[in-house]
Amino acid sequence: AQSVTQLGSHVSVSEGALVLLRCNYSSSVPPYLFWYVQYPNQGLQLLLKYTSAATLVKGINGFEAEFKKSETSFHLTKPSAHMSDAAEYFCAVSVRRELTFGGGTRVLVKP
Amino acid sequence: KAGVTQTPRYLIKTRGQQVTLSCSPISGHRSVSWYQQTPGQGLQFLFEYFSETQRNKGNFPGRFSGRQFSNSRSEMNVSTLELGDSALYLCASSLTTGDHYEQYFGPGTRLTVT
Repeated sequence: AQSVTQLGSHVSVSEGALVLLRCNYSSSVPPYLFWYVQYPNQGLQLLLKYTSAATLVKGINGFEAEFKKSETSFHLTKPSAHMSDAAEYFCAVSVRRELTFGGGTRVLVKP
Repeated sequence: KAGVTQTPRYLIKTRGQQVTLSCSPISGHRSVSWYQQTPGQGLQFLFEYFSETQRNKGNFPGRFSGRQFSNSRSEMNVSTLELGDSALYLCASSLTTGDHYEQYFGPGTRLTVT
């Protein structure tokens, strides 16, 4: 069975600082990995996905994630946080056409 | 291109009633999946439909069911509602079925059971 763990349910960063959200997965098959963002009272928006073409994946809004097979990790980063990045972020793995999500990390951006 | 649409956006029902939620996928998308989001359990997979056939089902009781129509629109039904069914129900569509196809989510239907 596959599982996804996101370390830290809440992260607080200052505007302009690095955003780092951690995600570790376990999967019995080569994973397809995704990061989604959810703003209040909205659905999930796809930030990026790992397709095995490259270990460093660039997404929308300046986010990127690095796939590390040896660490079974897919951490999400953004060099400089913006106030509009305040939201909840979910890491997910897709196996048998079913997305399994981590518990989510809520990001607070301080001015 | 229009995104995934879900109707209604909000619903209030009473225990024991049944409810039907509707989802229209992105034009051209043929796979539709449903997820339940609650504060306690997080995001959980309900089922996936492709070509009017249920392809996969999550660990939910039989009170939760769904269907897909020939135009790829999908509905999910919950019968004999329980208080624990209060949640945000999210529909997602993808071009076709397969793990490497990204899923695009609608805004959700927030169901409150009283």
